[in-house]
Formats: sequence, structure tokens, C-alpha cells
Amino acid sequence: KAGVTQTPRYLIKTRGQQVTLSCSPISGHRSVSWYQQTPGQGLQFLFEYFSETQRNKGNFPGRFSGRQFSNSRSEMNVSTLELGDSALYLCASSHDRSYNEQFFGPGTRLTVL
Amino acid sequence: AQKVTQAQTEISVVEKEDVTLDCVYETRDTTYYLFWYKQPPSGELVFLIRRNSFDEQNEISGRYSWNFQKSTSSFNFTITASQVVDSAVYFCALSEEGVGNMLTFGGGTRLMVKP
Repeated sequence: KAGVTQTPRYLIKTRGQQVTLSCSPISGHRSVSWYQQTPGQGLQFLFEYFSETQRNKGNFPGRFSGRQFSNSRSEMNVSTLELGDSALYLCASSHDRSYNEQFFGPGTRLTVL
Repeated sequence: AQKVTQAQTEISVVEKEDVTLDCVYETRDTTYYLFWYKQPPSGELVFLIRRNSFDEQNEISGRYSWNFQKSTSSFNFTITASQVVDSAVYFCALSEEGVGNMLTFGGGTRLMVKP
């Protein structure tokens, strides 16, 4: 069974630009969550999508948005990039029910210059 | 609000030593779930265990064991006879009822196992 895949793996952008990251969950998983990992703030929850609907959202500004498609693939978008957005962005997928173990992808490392 | 604290930021041991990683959590819910994840240098988080708040039985899986104590709000993780391959960052996480799959992570403990 293929794992969670994320593209691209690495990305370099400049301040003010926008970026879109993609996540393909494990086949059959309908929940996709996004996390931001930085040395200073650690792992922080961004949002979760389930059956194309945002089910939960973390404490991030509106520049961070996401969506989920009918095939459960998800994208997250960050507009007007700031230096502080440099981070490892991790995507996780899980089965329908809550509280299940989440399977994480390898992440996208975003560097903002 | 929920919170997870991993007081040990970094631990260094010599191979074959036993090591315990501490995790203390805070939550107002009576129903919640606790997790441990391993993050090797590759960056991908690897699921290790999930425990619900009504199951305080300790669990052992090979060289890994977990001690869940609601009285002290702790969910500690012990590696017996550590190996170099155990070197990684370990995260404890909490999920409360009603928040879907949202995980609140602790700050992580970097474990270095030296040969």
C-alpha cells in the first residue's frame, strides 16, 4: 500500500510570493491534516479536511488556506509569504473516524528568502 | 486548552542502555487519546502507539514499552537495550474528543544513541 506522498519535497520562494503544496493520502483515507514544523514553534496543527470539508482549523492567519478534492487529495496554499513561513510542512492521512493513528508524509521543506 | 510537555529536549545514551522519555499532558476532557511518534532524520513522522484515556494498561512492543498514568497525567515511553537506529526525535501528542484528528504535540525529545 502506497504511503502518503507530498509534492514538491523542497521549495524556495521569496517574500511576497505564494505557494501551493500538494498531498496525496493513503488510498481509502478520507481525512487529511496539515502541520507546520519549525525549530521555534515545533509541530503545529494547520487544518484538517474530511470529505472535502474543513473540519478543524489551527491558529494560523488567513494567508494559510487549503482544500480537498473528491479523490481526497489535498492542497494547501500560503499567500504573501513571510520569512517566518519557512518550515517543514507535513501532511497526514487517516481513516474516517477521529482519533485514529495518522500516517505522515515526508513533508515539503519550504524556504522563504 | 490541551497541552503536552516533554521536559527532556535531548538525551544521549550509549547503546544497550535503557532510556525513558517523559510526557506530561493537560486536558479538561475525560475522553482523549495519546500518541507517540518517531521522527528519524528523514523527517517523516512514524506512528508508534495510540492509547485512549480509559485504558491505563501498560503496553509492551518488543523493546518499546509505555506507561500511562492518569493520576499524574503522564504517558512515558521506555526503550530497553537502546540501539543506534533508535536515534531520532520522539514526539508525544494528544487528541481530545470532538476535535477530529487534530493532534497537539509536545516539543519533542531528541534521543542520541552512541555505539
